[in-house]
Amino acid sequence: EVQLVESGGVVVQPGGSLRLSCAASGFTFDDYAMHWVRQAPGKGLEWVSLISWDGGSTYYADSVKGRFTISRDNSKNSLYLQMNSLRAEDTALYYCAKGNSYSSGWYNYYFDYWGQGTLVTVSS
Amino acid sequence: QSVLTQPPSVSGAPGQRVTISCTGSSSNIGAGYDVHWYQQLPGTAPKLLIYGNSNRPSGVPDRFSGSKSGTSASLAITGLQAEDEADYYCQSYDSSLSAFYVFGTGTKVTVL
Repeated sequence: EVQLVESGGVVVQPGGSLRLSCAASGFTFDDYAMHWVRQAPGKGLEWVSLISWDGGSTYYADSVKGRFTISRDNSKNSLYLQMNSLRAEDTALYYCAKGNSYSSGWYNYYFDYWGQGTLVTVSS
Repeated sequence: QSVLTQPPSVSGAPGQRVTISCTGSSSNIGAGYDVHWYQQLPGTAPKLLIYGNSNRPSGVPDRFSGSKSGTSASLAITGLQAEDEADYYCQSYDSSLSAFYVFGTGTKVTVL
């Protein structure tokens, strides 16, 4: 059974930093690209970042580019999101999601498994 | 900043059929990129419902079906059941520079 368990969400002041983690199990972690998707309270879903299976390629939404860094440790079946220069608008439930695709290229990716999320609150 | 537009809400009585539209543009659905759908039950994480416009993962009832045409896509739920009450989101790839993947604005389905 695929399991994704996020951790690391806390209350942090504006301008602060935080690292989220996602522990994966139930599938061959280093075979798949992984994503972070967030959901502000009462709002819709927003894709945040993507990392390729080997960590060699990373992509970010403009809203977090230059402030967030995605990484992974395949030896530990873990995904990370380093969040710097946090803003109030980064307040959200952050989901780790497994990527899947039925063809080559990034454009047919979808998210077939999701964790339960970890809450990040940016507030003074 | 969702770039895929969905109706905020749809409703139907048990057993009825409801549809949810997802309207995009020439940089996403209209460019030929596929559409995927997710169901989010209250207080839970999203769950994949449809991938590749019309394919159901194993375990998803065949009451759920998807289609795509032009710059839009649709999710249909036939034989509506109480447990279908949830938020539904479409998702696609976007070739603009702001984000790889974009989600719809979300639709709340209410079973009357």
